[in-house]
Amino acid sequence: TQLLEQSPQFLSIQEGENLTVYCNSSSVFSSLQWYRQEPGEGPVLLVTVVTGGEVKKLKRLTFQFGDARKDSSLHITAAQPGDTGLYLCAGAGRDTGRRALTFGSGTRLQVQP
Amino acid sequence: DAGVTQSPTHLIKTRGQHVTLRCSPISGHKSVSWYQQVLGQGPQFIFQYYEKEERGRGNFPDRFSARQFPNYSSELNVNALLLGDSALYLCASSPAFQNTGELFFGEGSRLTVL
Repeated sequence: TQLLEQSPQFLSIQEGENLTVYCNSSSVFSSLQWYRQEPGEGPVLLVTVVTGGEVKKLKRLTFQFGDARKDSSLHITAAQPGDTGLYLCAGAGRDTGRRALTFGSGTRLQVQP
Repeated sequence: DAGVTQSPTHLIKTRGQHVTLRCSPISGHKSVSWYQQVLGQGPQFIFQYYEKEERGRGNFPDRFSARQFPNYSSELNVNALLLGDSALYLCASSPAFQNTGELFFGEGSRLTVL
């Protein structure tokens, strides 16, 4: 069974601060996605990383895929209240017979103005 | 362009009842997946359908079933509801049968079982 563990579970910070969210597993994934989910809505895809060691930047968000493709991190620079939400990492398995994403339990971020 | 649409958005059922949830994928998307998200947790995979055939099934009891129609819309059925079935049921579509993620989710159907 593939599991993804996210940390921290909750994070409350002030506007302008930096933060990092971690997503770890003992399993290797063929790709990993980060989603953001706001209350009452479905998750929205932020980024997909595929290559070990890959780094992708999306404005103030920086995503990194571990060299062994077992872990990932999301770094937010100068957080804003609009960044508030539930951040979910999700991995696609290497087993071609498994057509599903494995999601972490999420990191709930609150950015105070 | 319309995104993934789900209905109903909210519903309340009692234990033992049956529920049908509906999903229309993004136009042109042929793959539909269903996920269950219990409060405070990440989504858990239930089913994936592609070209009207089941292509994947998660660790859920046989009370859960689904199907995909020729227009690629989908239904999720849950029989003999239990209190633990209370959750947000998410439908997601993708253009093709792929294992690289990149799912497009609807807003979900919030099911409460009393």
